[in-house]
Amino acid sequence: EVQVLESGGGLVQPGGSLRLSCVGSGYTFSRISMNWVRQAPGKGLEWVSVISGNGRSTEYADSVKGRFTISRDNSKNTVHLQMNSLRAEDTAVYYCAKEEPKGYHYGMDVWGQGTTVTVSS
Amino acid sequence: DIQMTQSPSSVSASVGDRVTITCRASQGISNWLAWYQQKPGKAPKFLIYAASSLQSGVPSRFSGSGSGTDFTLTISSLQPEDFATYYCQQGNSFPLTFGGGTRVEIK
Repeated sequence: EVQVLESGGGLVQPGGSLRLSCVGSGYTFSRISMNWVRQAPGKGLEWVSVISGNGRSTEYADSVKGRFTISRDNSKNTVHLQMNSLRAEDTAVYYCAKEEPKGYHYGMDVWGQGTTVTVSS
Repeated sequence: DIQMTQSPSSVSASVGDRVTITCRASQGISNWLAWYQQKPGKAPKFLIYAASSLQSGVPSRFSGSGSGTDFTLTISSLQPEDFATYYCQQGNSFPLTFGGGTRVEIK
């Protein structure tokens, strides 16, 4: 069964840092791009970032560019989201989502259960 | 950035009803559109890709259509498990963007 599982969420003060992790299983991890998507309390979905299968290509939403860094370790089937300079508006459930194998045009076919990040003093 | 606008923001319907949700892109996106279903407290579920192709395992009462800027998601006969929020998402270019969501409620 194809699965992705996030971890690393928690409570952090404004200006602080947090690193999220996502482990993929049940497929050839290194061949598939991985995304992070977030959802603020009571709000809709917001795409955050993507990293290609080999890790050489990344994209970010403007709202996180320069503060968040996505990376991956294919030897451990893991993707990370390093979040720095956190703001209250970064408070959200963060989902890891696997790209559909045909490519980013086709959407995100498998999602994790989410990990909650709360930025508050 | 491509803006995605869904309408209506919410709809009340009964079991057995036909429900149609509209998604409009601020510029042409060919058929690079996906639809997701999300239930409260749960992760989104992938329903449709390339505007009209049903993901494996998704019931055939769900269908999608459209190209360019205008798209629709139709549920032909609403079932109790279909009450949820639905999101469209464009896959034409980065940043990927989602519509604001349409909540399908019990009438």
